[in-house]
Order: sequence, then structure tokens, then C-alpha cells
Amino acid sequence: EAQVTQNPRYLITVTGKKLTVTCSQNMNHEYMSWYRQDPGLGLRQIYYSMNVEVTDKGDVPEGYKVSRKEKRNFPLILESPSPNQTSLYFCASSLSGTQETQYFGPGTRLLVL
Amino acid sequence: QKEVEQDPGPLSVPEGAIVSLNCTYSNSAFQYFMWYRQYSRKGPELLMYTYSSGNKEDGRFTAQVDKSSKYISLFIRDSQPSDSATYLCAMSASSGYSTLTFGKGTMLLVSP
Repeated sequence: EAQVTQNPRYLITVTGKKLTVTCSQNMNHEYMSWYRQDPGLGLRQIYYSMNVEVTDKGDVPEGYKVSRKEKRNFPLILESPSPNQTSLYFCASSLSGTQETQYFGPGTRLLVL
Repeated sequence: QKEVEQDPGPLSVPEGAIVSLNCTYSNSAFQYFMWYRQYSRKGPELLMYTYSSGNKEDGRFTAQVDKSSKYISLFIRDSQPSDSATYLCAMSASSGYSTLTFGKGTMLLVSP
């Protein structure tokens, strides 16, 4: 089954404790993205990647890091999480690089205390 | 003025009704327009993708774009309880993988 998976699905952590949210896709897609979704603000893009070792900032990259060492994986790293990073995070992937073929993962709900 | 405006709802309709969901935008560079459906506790899924002005139909769904008015719509015919979800509009100036701008979403409730 073609899918984008994220782990963990739910995470509670404390300020300053580094964490990584993993994202993996089994569709051999070149393009991958991370979004955060907040009430009243909607979905906003954090980072995206056009291919292995190629990444670029989205609208809200501050406080986040990403890496793309393998085509299927695109982890999101919060090196020093803060409460304002409490949010619902989505990973997405796309085959052709157009928005027409973008698939989203199930989401990771993060609470930073 | 926000780039993309979308009424958050909720919009409640009886089963079988025709539903109209709308977004307005301010950036005239937007050329690619999308509608996503998001069920509770799930990721968004792409419903419709259109380029420039005009209509596009897919089953019970019709997407309409009026670039002169900076207004896009999604119509759902013969609405079903399974259509109950949040609908997000999204738009981009480029067909490539660049930043998408999303509306905040409209919650739709279809009662049996």
C-alpha cells in the first residue's frame, strides 16, 4: 500500500529536550515536505526537499532542522523545542514535484511543556 | 489582509444538499488552485487540482476558479454524511514544488 508514515504519532516532551519526528514514504517520491497545522493559522510549510541532500526553507523554518540522506526518509529535528512548537505536524511527499501528486502522512501531535 | 481567506464554518447541511465552499485570495500571482479534504485525526488528501480560471469536474465535485475576482469554489452535489470533514483550499504561483498557501479550512457537517 502506498503511504507516508510518521513516528511517533503523539509526543509529549519538555522544553529544550531534542527530539526527532521521522517520516518515511514507500512511493519512491523525490519531493517531501513538513507542515505544521495550528488552530486559527492553518497549514504552514516548514521545510521541503526536492531530492536527496537538497532542502529548502518554507514559511516557518525557525527552530527546525531537516535532513534528506535517503530518498524515502525525511526526519524533522527540533534541537531545543519550545512551547510555541506545540502543534500538529504533517509530512508529505510528491512524485513529480507538482502539488498535483502530493500525499500527506497521518500527522504527529506534539506537546512541548 | 490575509493572503487566503476561508470561512471556518461549521457549515451544516442535510444529506443530498448541494454544498458550496469558497476561498478568496489577494495574491494575483497564484495560478494553481487545490482543494484538500481532511477527516478528523487524519492528514489532508487532495481532492481537486486546477490551473488558472475555469471549471473542473470529478464525480460529485466541481472546482471553479475566477481569477478576475480572486475567488475559488468547491461544489459538492448530492452531499453524503461521509463528506463530513474539513475542506482546505490551497494555492501556489508555481506548478513546481514550492510553498503552498493554505486557507484555514471550512468544517462541513452533513446530517443523514
